[in-house]
Amino acid sequence: AQRVTQPEKLLSVFKGAPVELKCNYSYSGSPELFWYVQYSRQRLQLLLRHISRESIKGFTADLNKGETSFHLKKPFAQEEDSAMYYCALSNDYKLSFGAGTTVTVRA
Amino acid sequence: NAGVTQTPKFQVLKTGQSMTLQCAQDMNHNSMYWYRQDPGMGLRLIYYSASEGTTDKGEVPNGYNVSRLNKREFSLRLESAAPSQTSVYFCASSVAGGPNEQFFGPGTRLTVL
Repeated sequence: AQRVTQPEKLLSVFKGAPVELKCNYSYSGSPELFWYVQYSRQRLQLLLRHISRESIKGFTADLNKGETSFHLKKPFAQEEDSAMYYCALSNDYKLSFGAGTTVTVRA
Repeated sequence: NAGVTQTPKFQVLKTGQSMTLQCAQDMNHNSMYWYRQDPGMGLRLIYYSASEGTTDKGEVPNGYNVSRLNKREFSLRLESAAPSQTSVYFCASSVAGGPNEQFFGPGTRLTVL
């Protein structure tokens, strides 16, 4: 069965500091992985997906099949990055989400 | 272009009452989904509809039913609400299944007393 684990419920960093959100997965096939973000009073929205290999709002995520990880990183956190972040794995029509990590960026 | 809309935004029910959550999308998407969000558990898929005319169970379907009314609308029904169904419910849609971006509605906060 597929599973997504986000070990950190809360993450607090200072503005300008690096931030890394951990995501580990278990899946027998070739995974399709995503990061979704929910800012305060906004809808859940896609941040990035591993197949596009792009950097969005300064965030990057690399799929490491050996470690079954898809950690989200940003070298210099900004206050507007404060949000809830979900890692998700796609299996055909189904998205399996991790429990989420709440990030707070302090000035 | 409203995207995905949900009604109502808030609802309080008594145990045993029934209600239907409505969802509509105006993006001509084929696939639609219902999730529930609970603290510490992330989002869990209740039901999905890969295309008009089809529905399938997700991870937590017990106590729920769905109807894909047409391509635009996908409703979620609680026949006999229970306190364990207190949650925030999200509807989403995507062009198709697989690794396609899902677009989410604003959510419905449901409390069952």
